[in-house]
Amino acid sequence: KNQVEQSPQSLIILEGKNCTLQCNYTVSPFSNLRWYKQDTGRGPVSLTIMTFSENTKSNGRYTATLDADTKQSSLHITASQLSDSASYICVVSGWGDMRFGAGTRLTVKP
Amino acid sequence: GAVVSQHPSRVICKSGTSVKIECRSLDFQATTMFWYRQFPKQSLMLMATSNEGSKATYEQGVEKDKFLINHASLTLSTLTVTSAHPEDSSFYICSARGSYTGRPSFEQYFGPGTRLTVT
Repeated sequence: KNQVEQSPQSLIILEGKNCTLQCNYTVSPFSNLRWYKQDTGRGPVSLTIMTFSENTKSNGRYTATLDADTKQSSLHITASQLSDSASYICVVSGWGDMRFGAGTRLTVKP
Repeated sequence: GAVVSQHPSRVICKSGTSVKIECRSLDFQATTMFWYRQFPKQSLMLMATSNEGSKATYEQGVEKDKFLINHASLTLSTLTVTSAHPEDSSFYICSARGSYTGRPSFEQYFGPGTRLTVT
């Protein structure tokens, strides 16, 4: 069983709408949690990175939250744009290794 | 932000030949580099971790004699797929971790990926 589970697997929304992606993990010990955006055929690009002491971090229209007690994180996208269409990957690090979620495929339609 | 480049971005080769993929950190020193492969609609799978000047550490199930990794300098790592077969066709992504001004030392930067097609 993957130690990082993301939901939903895929999501379609209309341009301008908001959406929230979920990430649950069992990785222990915990060092940090990152959200990446990966466009098709490209490498992942970091959106946010949070350590256990941080429970929210924003990057423009992207806001990530972290609850280290329940081992849950979310990525909220506000006022979606067509360019937000991509895969969003949650990555959780222990000490020295990174565990990748399978990603959520977001499609923003006009 | 930190930049990691990969070359080539796409390569097509014939079965049985070898292919080399380069990964460079352009504006920082990468003490550790990682190689991943990614199949369509799947997440990244770590193949190996390499520290500059040391032998790479391969993940279970990854053949080290088939996927040769060299990390000879703080800015360059290469992955050579030897005797390639069609099942080696995949998207290969490198990432680098190291010293970059103003950023956590554990931050990891990904390259743009290399699409390998073996015919």
